Amino acid sequence: GQNIDQPTEMTATEGAIVQINCTYQTSGFNGLFWYQQHAGEAPTFLSYNVLDGLEEKGRFSSFLSRSKGYSYLLLKELQMKDSASYLCAVSDSNYQLIWGAGTKLIIKP
Amino acid sequence: ETGVTQTPRHLVMGMTNKKSLKCEQHLGHNAMYWYKQSAKKPLELMFVYNFKEQTENNSVPSRFSPECPNSSHLFLHLHTLQPEDSALYLCASSQDWGTSGYEQYFGPGTRLTVT
Repeated sequence: GQNIDQPTEMTATEGAIVQINCTYQTSGFNGLFWYQQHAGEAPTFLSYNVLDGLEEKGRFSSFLSRSKGYSYLLLKELQMKDSASYLCAVSDSNYQLIWGAGTKLIIKP
Repeated sequence: ETGVTQTPRHLVMGMTNKKSLKCEQHLGHNAMYWYKQSAKKPLELMFVYNFKEQTENNSVPSRFSPECPNSSHLFLHLHTLQPEDSALYLCASSQDWGTSGYEQYFGPGTRLTVT
């Protein structure tokens, strides 16, 4: 079967750096997405990786290793507004998104 | 504001009621989606429409009936629901379906409670 694993919850301190991991086993691979979802709001797109390596976008970076079925989202200079759930999703061989259950990130002052 | 709107935002219905959820996208996208989001579970894809044609139906019970009259509007008709259908129902759109790299834009969702 298809599976996406990510930690259920993480806690970090304002101003620090946090890395949220995602491992996947899917039938085919057409890219990996990261989304942010604040409580009670819609998920919003953060990043897309289809080739191995690191993609940097401001305070957020996303890394992909296709051979290891692994990705991480790196958040730097954490702010209180970064408290949210972070969803990892893989596009499979049918271009259907397979979603992880999300990682709830709690930022403490 | 993502360019995708959903109404109503909250809905409470009995198991014998019939109601409809509405989604509208103002992004000029060709693909639209319905997802179910339950607490601490992954997003479940229910239906996909591409150029108004249904391309995916992920074994969704017949008490959920989608309708896509044009590429900007998507409905989810609900009837004789069960309490386990209580969840957040999210609508999304993307430029296309069946091509990699297009991110999906989500609406704020309808919080459905079945009593």
